[in-house]
Amino acid sequence: GNSVTQMEGPVTLSEEAFLTINCTYTATGYPSLFWYVQYPGEGLQLLLKATKADDKGSNKGFEATYRKETTSFHLEKGSVQVSDSAVYFCALTLMDSNYQLIWGAGTKLIIKP
Amino acid sequence: EAGVAQSPRYKIIEKRQSVAFWCNPISGHATLYWYQQILGQGPKLLIQFQNNGVVDDSQLPKDRFSAERLKGVDSTLKIQPAKLEDSAVYLCASRPRGTDTQYFGPGTRLTVL
Repeated sequence: GNSVTQMEGPVTLSEEAFLTINCTYTATGYPSLFWYVQYPGEGLQLLLKATKADDKGSNKGFEATYRKETTSFHLEKGSVQVSDSAVYFCALTLMDSNYQLIWGAGTKLIIKP
Repeated sequence: EAGVAQSPRYKIIEKRQSVAFWCNPISGHATLYWYQQILGQGPKLLIQFQNNGVVDDSQLPKDRFSAERLKGVDSTLKIQPAKLEDSAVYLCASRPRGTDTQYFGPGTRLTVL
């Protein structure tokens, strides 16, 4: 079946550190891949997406590249800020599944000043 | 463009009481989703509407939960009677026709005492 696996948290980093949150997927067909972010007490915000192999999604300094050969969509940021502290969810969707989102478990990111 | 609107933002009720949540999707979005997010977990899909029809309600506990989208625009999710385990954030999302991206509202945080 279709699934998303992301690294467990919490991930704790110092401000200005380099961030990587790993995400791998299993899917039949050609999924679109997403990163959503959830700040404390808020709903889910779309951070970035990629719809086909080798696409790179980017937003607010975050990037992720759709790697079909490794079935991965790792989230990276070169220099994190305290304001990036949140929970990050990797997800996929498929047209054949009514575009329902298949979610990873979420990774809590804590940035210390 | 206005985002997905939800109300109320917070609700506290006693067990066995009833509660209703309202969602107004982004204008023109044909597909609407309701999710339940328990603290520390990813979202769980409860029901998906396409216009005013139900596409998938396989994970909706129909003995106590109901949802409607009568005119194909806004939607209401009801719980009657509530149980302690219903304490969660209820998220609404919408998606434009022919695209793969869901946009989320701020959520309603329900506490059942």
